[in-house]
Amino acid sequence: QQQVKQSPQSLIVQKGGISIINCAYENTAFDYFPWYQQFPGKGPALLIAIRPDVSEKKEGRFTISFNKSAKQFSLHIMDSQPGDSATYFCAASKRGAGSYQLTFGKGTKLSVIP
Amino acid sequence: DTAVSQTPKYLVTQMGNDKSIKCEQNLGHDTMYWYKQDSKKFLKIMFSYNNKELIINETVPNRFSPKSPDKAHLNLHINSLELGDSAVYFCASSQGQPGANVLTFGAGSRLTVL
Repeated sequence: QQQVKQSPQSLIVQKGGISIINCAYENTAFDYFPWYQQFPGKGPALLIAIRPDVSEKKEGRFTISFNKSAKQFSLHIMDSQPGDSATYFCAASKRGAGSYQLTFGKGTKLSVIP
Repeated sequence: DTAVSQTPKYLVTQMGNDKSIKCEQNLGHDTMYWYKQDSKKFLKIMFSYNNKELIINETVPNRFSPKSPDKAHLNLHINSLELGDSAVYFCASSQGQPGANVLTFGAGSRLTVL
């Protein structure tokens, strides 16, 4: 059973447009919601993250919106640039015994065209 | 300096062979992970070690055996390789303290089984 559902699978956005990726989770034990960005041939890297006690977090052109009651969160990329073209993964984390178990969504391949 | 380094980056081998992937982190983190990314880009946790102790062991065939000689190293040995083992394997590390659950990934090791 997939615990974090991500959509869309792929997204094409014009340069300067807004990219929106959505995620939904099921387990209310999750307490940390990061987004990872992965470029081809590289490992995923943390982009931005949010905890469930806030509804929005903004870092530059990247914003996470979080709806605790709906168990949904989304990533908005404002003024999307070709350099933003990558695969984006939402994730949800819960503290286990001595480590954090991170469950990833299936990823969204974003292509920003000039 | 690379924070999480994996070797080899590429591995091509025949079915039935045994192979190993090595991982080292110089971040001083006390938790290390192995993730598998399949051809559809889905990231799934395989193992997690905290201070050399196995913490997470997901449903992975016992042909996969992780070994952590110290908290800076986590190796993955795979016996009797099968076609379905072809994937990119990512090592990651994190600091196990509460509130510090950011994973730093290596660049991945692409395993191709022929």
